Amino acid sequence: GAVVSQHPSWVICKSGTSVKIECRSLDFQATTMFWYRQFPKQSLMLMATSNEGSKATYEQGVEKDKFLINHASLTLSTLTVTSAHPEDSSFYICSATDWDANGLHFGNGTRLTVT
Amino acid sequence: AQSVTQLGSHVSVSEGALVLLRCNYSSSVPPYLFWYVQYPNQGLQLLLKYTSAATLVKGINGFEAEFKKSETSFHLTKPSAHMSDAAEYFCAVSDKRSQGNLIFGKGTKLSVKP
Repeated sequence: GAVVSQHPSWVICKSGTSVKIECRSLDFQATTMFWYRQFPKQSLMLMATSNEGSKATYEQGVEKDKFLINHASLTLSTLTVTSAHPEDSSFYICSATDWDANGLHFGNGTRLTVT
Repeated sequence: AQSVTQLGSHVSVSEGALVLLRCNYSSSVPPYLFWYVQYPNQGLQLLLKYTSAATLVKGINGFEAEFKKSETSFHLTKPSAHMSDAAEYFCAVSDKRSQGNLIFGKGTKLSVKP
């Protein structure tokens, strides 16, 4: 089946630094990728929708200058958390689809801890 | 607008007992409905989905769900719980036009007692 690889699986960084998270579709071309944020014991909240070659569409309340999303190729999307703060600590999950495949495919998530 | 309500944030069953996780949805258009499972510190794995075909959907790991339009429900069941079923379960809704944009319920944590 389709596989989405997310890297790193966990990262610890200091306040004020930036962190990049990668989401790769390994065996299909992902026309669209989605980025979610999940707080402890809560559901996934969609942050943004990323289409290859175009600017990401951000959900209301998500700061686009803080959460930079790049989808430069059909197999890779990146989320960069800029000037991270402790409140950005969360579990970030990506998903990908080629719209012809059988639904969405999720990465295993990235646990970000900002100290 | 679409929304999902999962009744019960935590469900506990004994091994071998019936598993029933409840999901009700709201949608102004014909919905696509999904159940996902999440193990600790991992992403989501699709259990099953309904996309306007058969109303009784069979998924992986022995799970199934029935779409009931009159009740706006899509409850997840499994006849006999296994210890490995302990996880967080999310119900989600989308529609044909925006099927990638899932609206998730708050999740139900399933515990299985030996």
